Amino acid sequence: QQQVKQSPQSLIVQKGGISIINCAYENTAFDYFPWYQQFPGKGPALLIAIRPDVSEKKEGRFTISFNKSAKQFSLHIMDSQPGDSATYFCAANSGAGSYQLTFGKGTKLSVIP
Amino acid sequence: GAGVSQSPSNKVTEKGKDVELRCDPISGHTALYWYRQSLGQGLEFLIYFQGNSAPDKSGLPSDRFSAERTGGSVSTLTIQRTQQEDSAVYLCASSLPTIAKNIQYFGAGTRLSVL
Repeated sequence: QQQVKQSPQSLIVQKGGISIINCAYENTAFDYFPWYQQFPGKGPALLIAIRPDVSEKKEGRFTISFNKSAKQFSLHIMDSQPGDSATYFCAANSGAGSYQLTFGKGTKLSVIP
Repeated sequence: GAGVSQSPSNKVTEKGKDVELRCDPISGHTALYWYRQSLGQGLEFLIYFQGNSAPDKSGLPSDRFSAERTGGSVSTLTIQRTQQEDSAVYLCASSLPTIAKNIQYFGAGTRLSVL
């Protein structure tokens, strides 16, 4: 059972455009929602994260929007740059137990000049 | 180094052989995680260690998989009698044992290929 569903699987955006990646979760116990960025040959690195007490969090060009009632959250990359080309993973955990992260399947973003 | 270190970076083995993958976490991080990343899939949780507590092994896919953590630092993931479906990138992460525990720092992974 996939607890975090991520879409799209791949995304091509022109330089300067907005990249949008969506995730939906099922487990209402989840209370922490990070996004990880992974470049080829590297491990994932935390990009930005949100807790459900806020509906939006912005860090530079990256924004997370969170809709608790719909159990959905999304990553927006404004003014997308070729250097943003990477695979992005949404994740969630409940903050209890072992704090393991449940990941989406990833979105491969390509930003073309 | 300041980051999570994993070795080897690549491992090619024959079906049926045993393999050991090593993870050296960030100094001071008492929480350590192993994940598996298969082609086109997200990261799949395998096992979690926190200090001296019993590990959470709920993600291990079969009894061929085991892991240990010696001295609360270095961890070894062992896969016995490897199968072709074990081919994947095995990622290790570590974190602090506080409210910041959710910030997991990942190593570059070990790419395992079972022929």
